[in-house]
Amino acid sequence: DGGITQSPKYLFRKEGQNVTLSCEQNLNHDAMYWYRQDPGQGLRLIYYSQIVNDFQKGDIAEGYSVSREKKESFPLTVTSAQKNPTAFYLCASSIAGGEAFFGQGTRLTVV
Amino acid sequence: RKEVEQDPGPFNVPEGATVAFNCTYSNSASQSFFWYRQDCRKEPKLLMSVYSSGNEDGRFTAQLNRASQYISLLIRDSKLSDSATYLCVPGGTYGGSQGNLIFGKGTKLSVKP
Repeated sequence: DGGITQSPKYLFRKEGQNVTLSCEQNLNHDAMYWYRQDPGQGLRLIYYSQIVNDFQKGDIAEGYSVSREKKESFPLTVTSAQKNPTAFYLCASSIAGGEAFFGQGTRLTVV
Repeated sequence: RKEVEQDPGPFNVPEGATVAFNCTYSNSASQSFFWYRQDCRKEPKLLMSVYSSGNEDGRFTAQLNRASQYISLLIRDSKLSDSATYLCVPGGTYGGSQGNLIFGKGTKLSVKP
């Protein structure tokens, strides 16, 4: 079954900790994306990558980092520099010009 | 102009009504356009793709107006299950560079009995 998988579904972080959200796809898509969604709000682009070993900042990249060492994987690290990390994080992938397919998301809560 | 703009709503309509949403975009180079549906606390799911002037799928019709840079979504005979938030997103150049994917903030639809 082809698809995009995010893990974990729920994640709790203590203040000052870095955490890494996983995103894996077996759709052979070149492009991958990370979005953040706050309650009642739209999707805001954090980072995107069009090809392995290359990625670009989106609108709200501060406090986040990514890597794209493999085509299938695009992990997102939420660093301690992100002052308000509690949110719903969505990963997506697509072919050039095509529709985006989303993972089921990770809910991150700071405790 | 913002990259993608949508009326946030909410649109409150009775069952059986016809409702339309508009989405304006700023990048005139976009060649593909998509409408997504997002249920509360879930990931967005693709509803319709638009690559030319429009697309129709059952009760749903999407139309593209390149001159005015907007896409619309028409829902006929609304069902209770249509209640959701509808997101639009202009894609990249088909077969070329995807670039980023900037979503509109979404239009909330509530269908009442």
